[in-house]
Amino acid sequence: NAGVMQNPRHLVRRRGQEARLRCSPMKGHSHVYWYRQLPEEGLKFMVYLQKENIIDESGMPKERFSAEFPKEGPSILRIQQVVRGDSAAYFCASSGGEETQYFGPGTRLLVL
Amino acid sequence: GDSVTQMEGPVTLSEEAFLTINCTYTATGYPSLFWYVQYPGEGLQLLLKATKADDKGSNKGFEATYRKETTSFHLEKGSVQVSDSAVYFCALSDRAAGNKLTFGGGTRVLVKP
Repeated sequence: NAGVMQNPRHLVRRRGQEARLRCSPMKGHSHVYWYRQLPEEGLKFMVYLQKENIIDESGMPKERFSAEFPKEGPSILRIQQVVRGDSAAYFCASSGGEETQYFGPGTRLLVL
Repeated sequence: GDSVTQMEGPVTLSEEAFLTINCTYTATGYPSLFWYVQYPGEGLQLLLKATKADDKGSNKGFEATYRKETTSFHLEKGSVQVSDSAVYFCALSDRAAGNKLTFGGGTRVLVKP
C-alpha cells in the first residue's frame, strides 16, 4: 500500500516564477493537509482540504498561495511569483478522517 | 491558541545512554498528542501517540505518557542507538479544528558510537 507521494522532491525556481507542488494521499484517504517547514524550524500548518473543498486555510499567506484537491488527481499547492522567503520544505499529510496523519517525503523548494 | 514547546537541541548522547526530550503544550480543548521523527532529507514518521490523559504511547523502545496535570508529553528511551539520530517533533491535534497539527520546534538528537 503506497504511502503519501509528493513530487517533485526538489524544485528550483527563480524569483517571480510559479511553483506547483503535488501531493497524492494514501489510498483511501480523502483528507489532505499542507505544512511548511522553514530552515531549522518546526512545521507550520498551511491548509486543510477534503475532496473539492478547502476546509481550513487559516495558515496560508493571503497572497500568492493557493491550494486545491480536485475530485480526480492529486492535491496541488501553488505559489505564484515566488520570493526567496518561500524557500522551504513543503510537506503534505493525509488521513482517512481520523486524527493520525501520514506524511509524504516533502518537496524542497529553493528560490534563487 | 494551541502551542507546543519542546526542549531545544542539539542533544548529543553516547550509544546506550538514556534519552529524555521534554514537551509541554497549551490547548483549549482535549488534544491528542504525538511524537514524530524526521531523518535527514526525509518526511516525518509517526513514532507514537496518546489520545487521552494517562495514556502511554510506545514504539521502538520509545515511550511518552500524556500528563494532563502538567500538560506534558515527554519522550523517553532507555538505551539509544546511533540509528536514533534524527530530529524529533512533539505535536498536538486539535479535534475542533479538523485535526490540524501544531508542532514544537523540533529537537535534534545525535547519538555517537
